[in-house]
Amino acid sequence: EAGVTQFPSHSVIEKGQTVTLRCDPISGHDNLYWYRRVMGKEIKFLLHFVKESKQDESGMPNNRFLAERTGGTYSTLKVQPAELEDSGVYFCASSQDRASGGARFFGPGTRLTVL
Amino acid sequence: DQQVKQNSPSLSVQEGRISILNCDYTNSMFDYFLWYKKYPAEGPTFLISISSIKDKNEDGRFTVFLNKSAKHLSLHIVPSQPGDSAVYFCAATVSGGGADGLTFGKGTHLIIQP
Repeated sequence: EAGVTQFPSHSVIEKGQTVTLRCDPISGHDNLYWYRRVMGKEIKFLLHFVKESKQDESGMPNNRFLAERTGGTYSTLKVQPAELEDSGVYFCASSQDRASGGARFFGPGTRLTVL
Repeated sequence: DQQVKQNSPSLSVQEGRISILNCDYTNSMFDYFLWYKKYPAEGPTFLISISSIKDKNEDGRFTVFLNKSAKHLSLHIVPSQPGDSAVYFCAATVSGGGADGLTFGKGTHLIIQP
């Protein structure tokens, strides 16, 4: 069974540009989560999809971040325009059910560097 | 305001000995706790979890202990092996609540020495 995949693995962009990150969850997992780890800090929750619906987006930092999950399969996270403080590693996770904390299976992450 | 704290950034343990990683939390609403292991350039991998209705959960070499009154949990690894060298994250959540995200600590880098 394939795990959670994320694309790209690395992205280097200039301040003010737009970047779109993609996450493909494990097949059949209705729950999809986005997290972010800024250098040296804790991994922080961004948002949670159940199928195509946003269940909780309380962790989204501001309106420069837009997450979508059309059709309830893969998800994209767009940052527009990117700022220096957006640099970090963005993780996606998926789970089959919400019981017991949900996010069990993490992807390898996308390392975003904003110059 | 960190709700999950791992106060030891790193820990060095000799191979074969016991590794004990600690985690404290401040939010009394948390009722489910998880430990993740992370290698460089990889995502966190789930290790073991515990519900607040228990005070201990074991899985092979890994045991998690929960002390609710102290708002403290610990992960014991016995015996420690070289492949255990990684960053370990403690995470917590409120199960059944509307908010479903995990709250993580900053991690502890465990180094197993031969």
